[in-house]
Amino acid sequence: AQSVSQHNHHVILSEAASLELGCNYSYGGTVNLFWYVQYPGQHLQLLLKYFSGDPLVKGIKGFEAEFIKSKFSFNLRKPSVQWSDTAEYFCAVTGSARQLTFGSGTQLTVLP
Amino acid sequence: EAGVAQSPRYKIIEKRQSVAFWCNPISGHATLYWYQQILGQGPKLLIQFQNNGVVDDSQLPKDRFSAERLKGVDSTLKIQPAKLEDSAVYLCASSLEGGRNYEQYFGPGTRLTVT
Repeated sequence: AQSVSQHNHHVILSEAASLELGCNYSYGGTVNLFWYVQYPGQHLQLLLKYFSGDPLVKGIKGFEAEFIKSKFSFNLRKPSVQWSDTAEYFCAVTGSARQLTFGSGTQLTVLP
Repeated sequence: EAGVAQSPRYKIIEKRQSVAFWCNPISGHATLYWYQQILGQGPKLLIQFQNNGVVDDSQLPKDRFSAERLKGVDSTLKIQPAKLEDSAVYLCASSLEGGRNYEQYFGPGTRLTVT
């Protein structure tokens, strides 16, 4: 069965700091990878996705993620975070099952 | 474009009571999903519908949970009887089709507290 691990449960950064959130998945076949974000009081929304092609994908609000197949990783990055990036971030994968499997999430707090 | 609608937004019930949640997907979306999100965890798929047929309900606790999608549009998820461990946010999502390449759009969720 496919699974997703997010290593950081809670990350606290100051504004303008760089961000990298880890995501590893366990499935050896073809995968689709996603990062979802949930801002306080709002619903889950898609940040970016990888299906195929260029392993470096760019999403909304300056976020990007790199798919490294050999490491089974899909880490999320942003060079300079803002207070408005405070949210919970979920990595998700579809592999053998067509269903989305989510990680446990990382709560990001950006201090002004 | 209107998003996925869910009601109620909050519900508090006592254990052994029953409860129902309602979801209205984005217009034209054939696939509808119900997820359970327990505090501190990511969403877990309970059931997936394609139009009004069930595609995957392997993780639905069928002894107490049931779901239906009449006429392939709105859907209801019911819990009867509720247990303390059912306290969670229940998310509804929809997508144009059910394949792995289709983005899922999520509703605001219903927060259930079982006391």
